[in-house]
Amino acid sequence: EVQLVESGGGLVQPGGSLRLSCAASGFTFSSYWMSWVRQAPGKGLEWVANIKQDGSEKYYVDSVKGRFTISRDNAKNSLYLQMNSLRAEDTAVYYCARAKLPPGIAVAGTFFDYWGQGTLVTVSS
Amino acid sequence: DIQLTQSPSFLSASVGDRVTITCRASQGISSYLAWYQQKPGKAPKLLIYAASTLQSGVPSRFSGSGSGTEFTLTISSLQPEDFATYYCQQLYTFGQGTKLEIK
Repeated sequence: EVQLVESGGGLVQPGGSLRLSCAASGFTFSSYWMSWVRQAPGKGLEWVANIKQDGSEKYYVDSVKGRFTISRDNAKNSLYLQMNSLRAEDTAVYYCARAKLPPGIAVAGTFFDYWGQGTLVTVSS
Repeated sequence: DIQLTQSPSFLSASVGDRVTITCRASQGISSYLAWYQQKPGKAPKLLIYAASTLQSGVPSRFSGSGSGTEFTLTISSLQPEDFATYYCQQLYTFGQGTKLEIK
């Protein structure tokens, strides 16, 4: 059974830092792109970042570029999101998600087939 | 950047109804569209990918269609557990969501 379990959320002051973790199990972690997706309170879903299987490619939404860093440790089956210079607008539930691309389909066809339960990040003084 | 616009944003329906949600893309995206269901306090759940392929384990009352810029998610006969918020997605972009409520 595929499982994704996030941790590391909490209350942090504006300008502070936080590191989120996602522990993966039930599949070959090193074979998949992985992503972080967030959801502000009462709002919709927003993709934040993703990382290639070997960590060689990383992509970010413009609003977090230069502040957030996605990384992974395939030996530990773990995904991370280092969040620096946090702002009030970063307040959200952060989900770890497995990115899936069916064989023969272009990258544009990527979707998210498994999600963690989410971890809440609150940025407030 | 591609934008996805869902309609309606809110939908009120009864158990047994047939409902359709539309997702329009700002430019052609072939069949590269997925649909998710999210219930309050829970993570999103994948329903459909590649516009019309049902994810394993998803009831057959859910179906998807479309290509290019217009896509639809149809629930053929609403069940009590289907009242939730639905999102479309293409790569890094999500629609704003459609909240399906009980009439």
